[in-house]
Amino acid sequence: KNQVEQSPQSLIILEGKNCTLQCNYTVSPFSNLRWYKQDTGRGPVSLTIMTFSENTKSNGRYTATLDADTKQSSLHITASQLSDSASYICVAPNRDAGNKLTFGGGTRVLVKP
Amino acid sequence: DTAVSQTPKYLVTQMGNDKSIKCEQNLGHDTMYWYKQDSKKFLKIMFSYNNKELIINETVPNRFSPKSPDKAHLNLHINSLELGDSAVYFCASSQNRDEQFFGPGTRLTVL
Repeated sequence: KNQVEQSPQSLIILEGKNCTLQCNYTVSPFSNLRWYKQDTGRGPVSLTIMTFSENTKSNGRYTATLDADTKQSSLHITASQLSDSASYICVAPNRDAGNKLTFGGGTRVLVKP
Repeated sequence: DTAVSQTPKYLVTQMGNDKSIKCEQNLGHDTMYWYKQDSKKFLKIMFSYNNKELIINETVPNRFSPKSPDKAHLNLHINSLELGDSAVYFCASSQNRDEQFFGPGTRLTVL
């Protein structure tokens, strides 16, 4: 069964600190692995898309890693800012199902001053 | 602004009513989607259209009927609304199977 599981469900960090979010996926065959940021009351916005051959990708203070062998990905947020408070969703398309996206439940991050 | 837009942003209605949510994208994409995000925050695909043709139709009640008058629009009509339909509905678009761009969402509350 195609699944995407994320941990932790939520976390609170102090402004300026770093944090790492985890994602395990069982979607097969693998196409790519995506991280989205969803602010409260808004739609998800893409942060990174990683293909099989990429094991790290950065977008500003966001760095995603991918281990296709263990089917794990992480999203690292460096020097967190208040605006980083949001849900971060790991997403994997199922190539055999028209690239239908399977979404994780998200990690809710709260950055406190 | 180039974007995916949805109307209305909020929709409060009584059980049994029929309602529609509209979606428009001006990104020139050929594929559009409807997602439902429940209270547990999981996003689930409902429908996908490519160039006005239905390509993904998940197991949703037939009270939900998407309509794509052209490839820039994908509307969602819901008949006989039920309490369990309360959720946030997101429209999205993409060029082929590339990165999807999401609209701001429509929060539907059925009383």
